[in-house]
Amino acid sequence: DGGITQSPKYLFRKEGQNVTLSCEQNLNHDAMYWYRQDPGQGLRLIYYSQIVNDFQKGDIAEGYSVSREKKESFPLTVTSAQKNPTAFYLCASSIRGPPNTGELFFGEGSRLTVL
Amino acid sequence: GIQVEQSPPDLILQEGANSTLRCNFSDSVNNLQWFHQNPWGQLINLFYIPSGTKQNGRLSATTVATERYSLLYISSSQTTDSGVYFCAVGGNTGNQFYFGTGTSLTVIP
Repeated sequence: DGGITQSPKYLFRKEGQNVTLSCEQNLNHDAMYWYRQDPGQGLRLIYYSQIVNDFQKGDIAEGYSVSREKKESFPLTVTSAQKNPTAFYLCASSIRGPPNTGELFFGEGSRLTVL
Repeated sequence: GIQVEQSPPDLILQEGANSTLRCNFSDSVNNLQWFHQNPWGQLINLFYIPSGTKQNGRLSATTVATERYSLLYISSSQTTDSGVYFCAVGGNTGNQFYFGTGTSLTVIP
């Protein structure tokens, strides 16, 4: 089945550690996105990528890093510089990049808790 | 960026009741989607509706782009409709989707 796969679904980390969240899509979409959701809030954009080897910062990129070496994959690293990393992270993709993206599709999310 | 306001923030319904959720946005858009976030956190696509009206079973949506709002109608609500409903919009020149803070719906038996 086509879709977006995120892993792990749940992750615990100690303060000061980096952690990488995986996102893979087999929809043949050009654009991929990472969003962060805090309790009772909407989604905020961390990074997006319109094409391989290119990515752009969103509204809350500080403390995060990404790479896009393959069309199918867009991993997110939450670094120790991120001051409040405990959140729900959602990966998404669309057939094209902004502004004419078409429909946005989401993975199931990764819940990160920093102890 | 584009401001997105959703109302009401919370809604409690008896099973079988109908409801209307509203999404207002502050600028012209070329993308608008409605999502349902289930209790496990996954965002389910309901409608991609930058303009016009669409229906899918008990759900329908209308976007009046010129007046900068969209409505999501849920008829004969069921307990499985519970969750948070998000509206997201994308502008003609922007680089992202902007999300509202959602409407939390609880359907009680």
